[in-house]
Amino acid sequence: NAGVTQTPKFQVLKTGQSMTLQCAQDMNHNSMYWYRQDPGMGLRLIYYSASEGTTDKGEVPNGYNVSRLNKREFSLRLESAAPSQTSVYFCASSGFDGPASEQFFGPGTRLTVL
Amino acid sequence: LAKTTQPISMDSYEGQEVNITCSHNNIATNDYITWYQQFPSQGPRFIIQGYKTKVTNEVASLFIPADRKSSTLSLPRVSLSDTAVYYCLVDKAAGNKLTFGGGTRVLVKP
Repeated sequence: NAGVTQTPKFQVLKTGQSMTLQCAQDMNHNSMYWYRQDPGMGLRLIYYSASEGTTDKGEVPNGYNVSRLNKREFSLRLESAAPSQTSVYFCASSGFDGPASEQFFGPGTRLTVL
Repeated sequence: LAKTTQPISMDSYEGQEVNITCSHNNIATNDYITWYQQFPSQGPRFIIQGYKTKVTNEVASLFIPADRKSSTLSLPRVSLSDTAVYYCLVDKAAGNKLTFGGGTRVLVKP
């Protein structure tokens, strides 16, 4: 099992450009999450999908959109990138959206917006 | 969201036990306490989770007093590879919305 995979690993964008970060999991998990981590900081939740067909905002959703394409895949889209979105983006999944459900994280995507 | 407070950093030596205490004063009745570990350039990894008293697994122990307003992660006999950032989180009963604070940077020295 690959666990949680993310593409791309690195990306440089110019202000105003758009891009989609891809995430896939092969653990048959119901819930998926997108976080961002700024240097020296903890992770902050952007959006999550408790189950296939549902998405909800997290702590910092502005400037992002998400799509739960199917049970395996959860993508994050930046429509018009801004320098403040320079960060490392982590995708995670868990068996269910509730306490005591361990989250499994991907390796991250390092995004720089110039 | 429940806020946690933990030390910013700790130094230790190989073979020693490391204890990291986290305070979570406004934890709710049904919340769990969860610890994650993060190495540089990697995503966080689940270490241990508990509700009350003591939980032990192959890598760590978690001590939670009766009032549940704090918890202590114990890493026995650390090695250099345990150098990482450790996050204490309160896992809300109403959905798995993890709130990561700044974490504790543990440096294990030879």
